[in-house]
Amino acid sequence: DQQVKQNSPSLSVQEGRISILNCDYTNSMFDYFLWYKKYPAEGPTFLISISSIKDKNEDGRFTVFLNKSAKHLSLHIVPSQPGDSAVYFCAASAQGGSEKLVFGKGTKLTVNP
Amino acid sequence: ETGVTQTPRHLVMGMTNKKSLKCEQHLGHNAMYWYKQSAKKPLELMFVYSLEERVENNSVPSRFSPECPNSSHLFLHLHTLQPEDSALYLCASSQDGVGGHQETQYFGPGTRLLVL
Repeated sequence: DQQVKQNSPSLSVQEGRISILNCDYTNSMFDYFLWYKKYPAEGPTFLISISSIKDKNEDGRFTVFLNKSAKHLSLHIVPSQPGDSAVYFCAASAQGGSEKLVFGKGTKLTVNP
Repeated sequence: ETGVTQTPRHLVMGMTNKKSLKCEQHLGHNAMYWYKQSAKKPLELMFVYSLEERVENNSVPSRFSPECPNSSHLFLHLHTLQPEDSALYLCASSQDGVGGHQETQYFGPGTRLLVL
């Protein structure tokens, strides 16, 4: 059973608009969440993270929101740019275990000019 | 060279071949990882090394054999693979600090493996 779920395999938005990528998790022990971006033929690149003690973390155009009661997090990209077109992976980890990250399947974002 | 590098970037091998994937990190990290990414599946953690000791092995078949000679280098030795082992193999590294787990992992570009 998947502990980290990205239910939208793809998302398409217009340049300049907001992109919202969603992620749900089932393990209540997760307390650290990350978003990675992956271009074709490259490895995932770290984008932004959030600890469970926060509900929002912002870095430039990227903001991650965490709703612990709903076990849901989202990544907002504003304004979206064509260079943001990539696959976005949500990942989570739990304290007390190994350094293990659990990844979602990814959402492919396409930003149209 | 900076970050995490992997060689080769592409590899085609037969089922009876022996090959090795190499990963090198230039970030001063002390933990390294091998992941497998198959089509339409999440990244699957294969092996974790912390301070050159293997700390996790996620029930990976013995035809995959990792080696971590020092904190900067990680190998994945491949032997008698199956076609279903064709995938993107990603290496990552992180700094395993006190209180540990909330450390960001940084990935290499991956090796695209095709087993014929």
